[in-house]
Amino acid sequence: DAGVTQSPTHLIKTRGQQVTLRCSPKSGHDTVSWYQQALGQGPQFIFQYYEEEERQRGNFPDRFSGHQFPNYSSELNVNALLLGDSALYLCASSQPWGVPNYGYTFGSGTRLTVV
Amino acid sequence: TQLLEQSPQFLSIQEGENLTVYCNSSSVFSSLQWYRQEPGEGPVLLVTVVTGGEVKKLKRLTFQFGDARKDSSLHITAAQPGDTGLYLCASRDDKIIFGKGTRLHILP
Repeated sequence: DAGVTQSPTHLIKTRGQQVTLRCSPKSGHDTVSWYQQALGQGPQFIFQYYEEEERQRGNFPDRFSGHQFPNYSSELNVNALLLGDSALYLCASSQPWGVPNYGYTFGSGTRLTVV
Repeated sequence: TQLLEQSPQFLSIQEGENLTVYCNSSSVFSSLQWYRQEPGEGPVLLVTVVTGGEVKKLKRLTFQFGDARKDSSLHITAAQPGDTGLYLCASRDDKIIFGKGTRLHILP
């Protein structure tokens, strides 16, 4: 049973460019959350998608947007990249809220470097 | 927004020693989770605690949830090099909010 799959694993972009990161959730999971993890820090919540809609959003600018598809996979888009956007971007999938003791299953992340 | 503070930020100890790391919140947790993250990987869920005063054990790891549900601790007995990693506490609600983590290094 595949866990959470993220692509690409590594990416180098130039300031001002746009980037799209992809995530396939674990089988049986319908909720996808995205996190940004800067070096030496804990993951910071970007947003969460459920039923193809953004359900929750953290303190990130509108340059960060996302999408969820009918098969529950998700994309994270970042426009007008800044050097400070360099980080590990983690996707996590979960069962619907209310399932006892649910936790997130994380992918291995996409390492984005902005130069 | 609930803020989670973890301490210490870094910890380096010898193999075989015991250690405790802490997680404190500005408000009551509905429930709390502990994750471990190794380099190049995503965090992996270790435990979920829900009830104030709850204690859970996972082999050499003991997790405690404070009576008031505003703090938690993780105690590792006889640390091994395989315990090295970033330990994250997280508040679980309709989304999960992480602390900054404790980076643990066990020296062989």
